[in-house]
Amino acid sequence: DARVTQTPRHKVTEMGQEVTMRCQPILGHNTVFWYRQTMMQGLELLAYFRNRAPLDDSGMPKDRFSAEMPDATLATLKIQPSEPRDSAVYFCASGSHVGGTEAFFGQGTRLTVV
Amino acid sequence: SQQGEEDPQALSIQEGEKATMNCSYKTSINNLQWYRQNSGRGLVHLILIRSNEREKHSGRLRVTLDTSKKSSSLLITASRAADTASYFCATGADSSYKLIFGSGTRLLVRP
Repeated sequence: DARVTQTPRHKVTEMGQEVTMRCQPILGHNTVFWYRQTMMQGLELLAYFRNRAPLDDSGMPKDRFSAEMPDATLATLKIQPSEPRDSAVYFCASGSHVGGTEAFFGQGTRLTVV
Repeated sequence: SQQGEEDPQALSIQEGEKATMNCSYKTSINNLQWYRQNSGRGLVHLILIRSNEREKHSGRLRVTLDTSKKSSSLLITASRAADTASYFCATGADSSYKLIFGSGTRLLVRP
């Protein structure tokens, strides 16, 4: 049963702490997206990768966010230092030829920064 | 930044009725996709329509695309309580691989 796996599912952390979210894309998918979802802003595209190379991370606050794909089976999104305004659900999605075909989403990481 | 705006923001209908959701976008696209999100879950792909297509069907779903007006509609026929969810349109640009989502429509289907 191929699926995108995100860990952790929930994270509560104190302001100023580092947060790392992980994503295992579906095997064989070569495009990976990170989205952030909030009530106010909806689904925002933070960054995306094609064949592990970052194509666009213009949606990400560069001073505190970083996204990497150390290998084809792992994508990470880090926030350092975290702030209360970073509280949101972070989704990873993968696809084989997105935006020409569908994206498969993980269940998300719900981040709360207190 | 979001590419699309959806209308209405929220929709409440009775089971068995039709639900129509609209999406408008700003730039040229290669395709437009519709996704569904149940509360607290990830998004699930419903249907994709390419820029050279005008209408597409999948089960109880019907999608139309008008590239001259930069708009799309999703119609759900014979709605069921289980269709209650948020529905998002997303635009794809083949050259850039980006997938940008609209603001979504919250659909409530009353039993």
